[in-house]
Amino acid sequence: NAGVTQTPKFQVLKTGQSMTLQCAQDMNHNSMYWYRQDPGMGLRLIYYSASEGTTDKGEVPNGYNVSRLNKREFSLRLESAAPSQTSVYFCASTTGDAGGYTFGSGTRLTVV
Amino acid sequence: AQSVTQLGSHVSVSEGALVLLRCNYSSSVPPYLFWYVQYPNQGLQLLLKYTSAATLVKGINGFEAEFKKSETSFHLTKPSAHMSDAAEYFCAVSDSYGGADGLTFGKGTHLIIQP
Repeated sequence: NAGVTQTPKFQVLKTGQSMTLQCAQDMNHNSMYWYRQDPGMGLRLIYYSASEGTTDKGEVPNGYNVSRLNKREFSLRLESAAPSQTSVYFCASTTGDAGGYTFGSGTRLTVV
Repeated sequence: AQSVTQLGSHVSVSEGALVLLRCNYSSSVPPYLFWYVQYPNQGLQLLLKYTSAATLVKGINGFEAEFKKSETSFHLTKPSAHMSDAAEYFCAVSDSYGGADGLTFGKGTHLIIQP
């Protein structure tokens, strides 16, 4: 099925460990986004990518890095995980016209 | 900068009753407006969107929303609540499609359906 695929779905990390969250879309979308969702906070933008090789910081980028190696894939990396990064992470993409934004099913990350 | 305010973190209605979830926004330009629904442990599903066409927007599952520029509101309604409507609902705004700001979300409203 066409859409946005995120891996893994669940992850537990120890403080200081690193990991990469993967996101891939097969809808030929140009714009891709990483959000985090925390209780009572809604979703907040971490990073944005308009196209391959370009990225911009969002509202809460500290502690994260991203890579847009090709049009399909947009990864989010935590270099040294902290308990404050415990959250649910969503990847999204859009064509840039009125087609709407499509979200992945999320990655639930716990940092202990 | 855009912002979204959803009035009421929790809304409880009886099955069969009217559902009204409130959303007010601020935007410096004519906005694009969205409502998303999130069921437990799932991703976000688009309910409906306003893109400057008709001010009354119909979505999936019997939901609709009306864009009122003078009130800067985009409230979500459904005439008759069903148990399956219990979920978290998010209102979101964007001043451009696919732009660097993406979607700005409200904090969400948890809809509870009483039998």
